[in-house]
Amino acid sequence: GDSVTQMEGPVTLSEEAFLTINCTYTATGYPSLFWYVQYPGEGLQLLLKATKADDKGSNKGFEATYRKETTSFHLEKGSVQVSDSAVYFCALSEAGSNYQLIWGAGTKLIIKP
Amino acid sequence: NAGVTQTPKFQVLKTGQSMTLQCAQDMNHNSMYWYRQDPGMGLRLIYYSASEGTTDKGEVPNGYNVSRLNKREFSLRLESAAPSQTSVYFCASTLTGSNQPQHFGDGTRLSIL
Repeated sequence: GDSVTQMEGPVTLSEEAFLTINCTYTATGYPSLFWYVQYPGEGLQLLLKATKADDKGSNKGFEATYRKETTSFHLEKGSVQVSDSAVYFCALSEAGSNYQLIWGAGTKLIIKP
Repeated sequence: NAGVTQTPKFQVLKTGQSMTLQCAQDMNHNSMYWYRQDPGMGLRLIYYSASEGTTDKGEVPNGYNVSRLNKREFSLRLESAAPSQTSVYFCASTLTGSNQPQHFGDGTRLSIL
């Protein structure tokens, strides 16, 4: 079945550092890919998405590119801030799974001033 | 915009008690979902409803029941609460389709003693 694998956390960085959170997937069809963010004490919110190969999703300085050849959707940001501290989830959906979201386990990001 | 509204936000139950978690969305979405979130385990799907009048089991349905009361509302019931059901519960909704993101409520933090 479909699956999503994320790098384990927590990831701890200093402010203004470069961020990469790795995400790879296994899918039987052609999925759409998502990154969600969960700030402390809140629900999840969509950060960015990509629906086809080579698409780049971007929002709030974060970017991720849909790489079909490597089945990856890594999240990057050039200069992180303390306010980016949160848990980040990678997910996919496709028709073969009735468009249900298949979730990664989440990666906790801690940014130190 | 209210989005997805969950009630209550917090609840403490004793083992064996019953309880219904309420969820309502005002975005005219077809599909609704109930997840539980436990430390280190990401999100796990309990039940979902692809349309009014239909419900289906997710990954961890045991000990729960759901009702899709109408297009807006999707409730989750614990008939006889157990300590293993201590968790944070999230409701989500979406339009059906592979590139449609899910919109989440703020969660219900449930503790069972």
